[in-house]
Amino acid sequence: KAGVTQTPRYLIKTRGQQVTLSCSPISGHRSVSWYQQTPGQGLQFLFEYFSETQRNKGNFPGRFSGRQFSNSRSEMNVSTLELGDSALYLCASSLRDGLNYGYTFGSGTRLTVV
Amino acid sequence: GQQVMQIPQYQHVQEGEDFTTYCNSSTTLSNIQWYKQRPGGHPVFLIQLVKSGEVKKQKRLTFQFGEAKKNSSLHITATQTTDVGTYFCAGNNRKLIWGLGTSLAVNP
Repeated sequence: KAGVTQTPRYLIKTRGQQVTLSCSPISGHRSVSWYQQTPGQGLQFLFEYFSETQRNKGNFPGRFSGRQFSNSRSEMNVSTLELGDSALYLCASSLRDGLNYGYTFGSGTRLTVV
Repeated sequence: GQQVMQIPQYQHVQEGEDFTTYCNSSTTLSNIQWYKQRPGGHPVFLIQLVKSGEVKKQKRLTFQFGEAKKNSSLHITATQTTDVGTYFCAGNNRKLIWGLGTSLAVNP
């Protein structure tokens, strides 16, 4: 079966712009989480959605937002981009509860802000 | 706040040598998960440990969960070049708290 699909794979944006990243989870998976990965900070949790509801949220500013659709696909949006937002953004899905069953990650979107 | 410390940060071994990475949590965990990320890749789920003192094996990989459910280790016997990557632990204390990972390099 298809894995977790993230689009686009690479993105270059200018400071001040906004960006939307997309994630299609494994078919049947209802839980989708988003992470930011940078070399110095490791994986930082952004938010988790389950059945279109945000179930958990990390410590990121309000410029970072997300949503999940009825088909479990998820998007995350970053507004007013800053240089420090350059990172690999990873989406992870889980059949039920990733906290207790583990996550399957997508290949990520590499965002570069210039 | 809650933390999961992972050591060492880097490890460089000769092919055939053993490798161990350790995770220590500041709080008791419900479970701990281990992931591997190859260079340029994404994290891949390896295993989850739930019970106090649990030991699980996957071929050359041995995973342990401490008796107090606050620490864990991953041991690789006789490393191979295919083991190269970063190994992450993630502890569950009502949310996943990730270690910063141990990057393993293997000299052929």
